Amino acid sequence: SQQGEEDPQALSIQEGENATMNCSYKTSINNLQWYRQNSGRGLVHLILIRSNEREKHSGRLRVTLDTSKKSSSLLITASRAADTASYFCATVPRAGNNRKLIWGLGTSLAVNP
Amino acid sequence: DTAVSQTPKYLVTQMGNDKSIKCEQNLGHDTMYWYKQDSKKFLKIMFSYNNKELIINETVPNRFSPKSPDKAHLNLHINSLELGDSAVYFCASSQSARGGFDPYEQYFGPGTRLTVT
Repeated sequence: SQQGEEDPQALSIQEGENATMNCSYKTSINNLQWYRQNSGRGLVHLILIRSNEREKHSGRLRVTLDTSKKSSSLLITASRAADTASYFCATVPRAGNNRKLIWGLGTSLAVNP
Repeated sequence: DTAVSQTPKYLVTQMGNDKSIKCEQNLGHDTMYWYKQDSKKFLKIMFSYNNKELIINETVPNRFSPKSPDKAHLNLHINSLELGDSAVYFCASSQSARGGFDPYEQYFGPGTRLTVT
């Protein structure tokens, strides 16, 4: 089945550094979403970016979308230990079954104090 | 003020048993989902209901049966549990776009960790 792919699979950085995660997908999309999952918890929605948007910000988060390359990136600036979590991208396909999100496999981020 | 709640949080049971997980959302959303997350954190959609109508039914063994008594509730019943059913099950809800089913942001419950021994 279609899946997004995040890279890297795992990322370890020091507090205060920036963290960049990438997501690639396979088909044209309506929107792309990023979620965070802390250990042992449910997923939390971070940002939704539509196919006609190129960049979006929310606090320390910056998301870009390049539909020509079918890719997106999530940048977390000035990272904190509390940002330690898994980050998932999910897309809504433009064609076919657009009723569900197509999920990536996630990037595990560790922010060391 | 829990938005999406699930019960129970933990479920330990033996092979062959039947169990249910319940989900409730107080966000007024019209769409609810069940996901299964395995030990590698892969998230797999199982079912989705929109206004009590089943709109997504992925390739899931028919031992799994969802029920949505109303828009705010979605339950999952599992018959004849198997070792491979051990996972974390998440309920989620979202509000669909007007005139369509495009999912906007989804709100997740805390998960139910199912362990089958």
